[in-house]
Amino acid sequence: GAVVSQHPSRVICKSGTSVKIECRSLDFQATTMFWYRQFPKQSLMLMATSNEGSKATYEQGVEKDKFLINHASLTLSTLTVTSAHPEDSSFYICSARARGQGFPEAFFGQGTRLTVV
Amino acid sequence: AQKITQTQPGMFVQEKEAVTLDCTYDTSDPSYGLFWYKQPSSGEMIFLIYQGSYDQQNATEGRYSLNFQKARKSANLVISASQLGDSAMYFCAMREQNYGQNFVFGPGTRLSVLP
Repeated sequence: GAVVSQHPSRVICKSGTSVKIECRSLDFQATTMFWYRQFPKQSLMLMATSNEGSKATYEQGVEKDKFLINHASLTLSTLTVTSAHPEDSSFYICSARARGQGFPEAFFGQGTRLTVV
Repeated sequence: AQKITQTQPGMFVQEKEAVTLDCTYDTSDPSYGLFWYKQPSSGEMIFLIYQGSYDQQNATEGRYSLNFQKARKSANLVISASQLGDSAMYFCAMREQNYGQNFVFGPGTRLSVLP
């Protein structure tokens, strides 16, 4: 299957600082990338959908000014958690769908465990 | 209303036995896809198997098979010959043609394989 690389895998930051998480499709072009948040022992909750070259579409209840998403190229999307607070501590995971046919599934990055202290 | 229901929060199976993880879904879209993903403790989501709504035959991938019963709106995952490495969270997901590209995930089932 196709490979999606997410970096960093773990990050600890201080309250009030910003953290950037990168999601790269390594061997395919991803026209659409998704960002999810997962609380412990819970399912994945879609935060936003980003399409290359256009603004991200955020799910209801997700603050777009707090979770900045940029999909600058067909292989890279970034999520920036701005002015992070302890309640933003969570597991964030991206996924990407390949352009064209043959890949109905989405491919996921390894996830980023964010801890805000 | 929940679009994906997984009624088994936790399941145990003996090594080498088969296990079925339940998934029911709700959609009015005639075109949709159903997926199963495995999430080990490390966190990554591993794609296991896919079933399209128009597929006539049940999907199979190695030890994984999907028992697709369209009229009942169920898409159960069957794992044959369980291995210790199968212990993980398993998520059923759906993507609907008319509702964009995003996936909706069920709450998950934690599978524990006993030696």
